[in-house]
Amino acid sequence: DIQMTQSPSSLSASVGDRVTITCRASQSIDTYLNWYQQKPGKAPKLLIYAASTSNLQSGVPLRFRGSGSGTDFSLTISSLQPEDFATYYCQQSYSTPFTFGQGTKLEIK
Amino acid sequence: EVQLVESGGGLVKPGGSLRLSCAASGFTFINAWLSWVRQAPGKGLEWVGRIKTTTDDGPTDYAAPVKGRFIISRDDSKNTMYLQMHSLKTEDTAVYYCATAVYGFFDYWGQGTLVTVSS
Repeated sequence: DIQMTQSPSSLSASVGDRVTITCRASQSIDTYLNWYQQKPGKAPKLLIYAASTSNLQSGVPLRFRGSGSGTDFSLTISSLQPEDFATYYCQQSYSTPFTFGQGTKLEIK
Repeated sequence: EVQLVESGGGLVKPGGSLRLSCAASGFTFINAWLSWVRQAPGKGLEWVGRIKTTTDDGPTDYAAPVKGRFIISRDDSKNTMYLQMHSLKTEDTAVYYCATAVYGFFDYWGQGTLVTVSS
């Protein structure tokens, strides 16, 4: 199975900050990497698929940016907004079993 | 508008069985690949399994922890996917989500249904 490791596990930031979350795969997954946002008590929401900002899910603000290929990926949120404080997960879709990172909880400082 | 609505969750004893349903609307169900994803209380997301269309080869895949105990099926006439769970363990306690997943990423999700396995 492909292991996905996110860092950091938690992050405190302020409105207006720029933050970056990283995700590392245990083997190359090309660009089969997806990012989700989850708020408490809600289903996850797809933000970016196939790793890149050019694959922003419909309705997702442009302040969310994705990059990477192979084993190393990142999600950057420029200028944090109050609604961005949530938990973020990466997920590989290179092969089954599909696997998620452990999550990064983004909290208000 | 795409909608996925899960139902069937509840409290079940260890070793018991339960069947979840995922009723879909707003897209062409017969062509859709679908997955189940679960989330234990306070924990991260875990893929459970997926079902392709009825004409695809190898229509189902499962995660190792549930393989041999869980069965995913679909009824295209009812636009509904099912998750039949047998030999339930306490570690199967989770919110179970269904999601559309044609390219391996999960673009639409239901609201989830809670399964609690406890004596």
